Amino acid sequence: DAGVIQSPRHEVTEMGQEVTLRCKPISGHNSLFWYRQTMMRGLELLIYFNNNVPIDDSGMPEDRFSAKMPNASFSTLKIQPSEPRDSAVYFCASSFQGQNYGYTFGSGTRLTVV
Amino acid sequence: AQSVAQPEDQVNVAEGNPLTVKCTYSVSGNPYLFWYVQYPNRGLQFLLKYITGDNLVKGSYGFEAEFNKSQTSFHLKKPSALVSDSALYFCAVLGANDYKLSFGAGTTVTVRA
Repeated sequence: DAGVIQSPRHEVTEMGQEVTLRCKPISGHNSLFWYRQTMMRGLELLIYFNNNVPIDDSGMPEDRFSAKMPNASFSTLKIQPSEPRDSAVYFCASSFQGQNYGYTFGSGTRLTVV
Repeated sequence: AQSVAQPEDQVNVAEGNPLTVKCTYSVSGNPYLFWYVQYPNRGLQFLLKYITGDNLVKGSYGFEAEFNKSQTSFHLKKPSALVSDSALYFCAVLGANDYKLSFGAGTTVTVRA
């Protein structure tokens, strides 16, 4: 298994532009998480999907952020419009709920909004 | 609500010396506890977990952790640190009936040659 795959690895965009981050979870995992990591706030859970359904989006900072999971093998996190304060590393993680094995993380997308 | 505390932002040790990274937790019911390591510009990598059973858990790269229920702690240890162990370490807890891992703030470990 290739693990959790995120793309792109790095993204530099101008303020106001739309940004789309992508994630392919591990096959067979039924839970998917999007995290944001910054120096100031550490790791923040943005949204959690179970069986492709958003269960908890309380961590999504504002309406500019949206996430979808159209099927079990793909999820996107979109920021529109982007702002400099959105600059961070965004991680996707997946797990199989019920096994309590913890999460497998992707390598992250480093987003820079200028 | 569950939470994790890592009381030390940084831990500095000399190569060959023992390494300890502290973690305490708060959760309702029995905890599931995890340690992750993050190397620069990389994602978090699983090190070890405690679910049930023996309080001493052995994991990757020679690391181990001891679950102490009375002290609600899950400290990470390595008997002899390597320079390559320099990284950011996260402790995390999951409640038995929960889905959301709660992470500590992380501890930066620096092992000097």
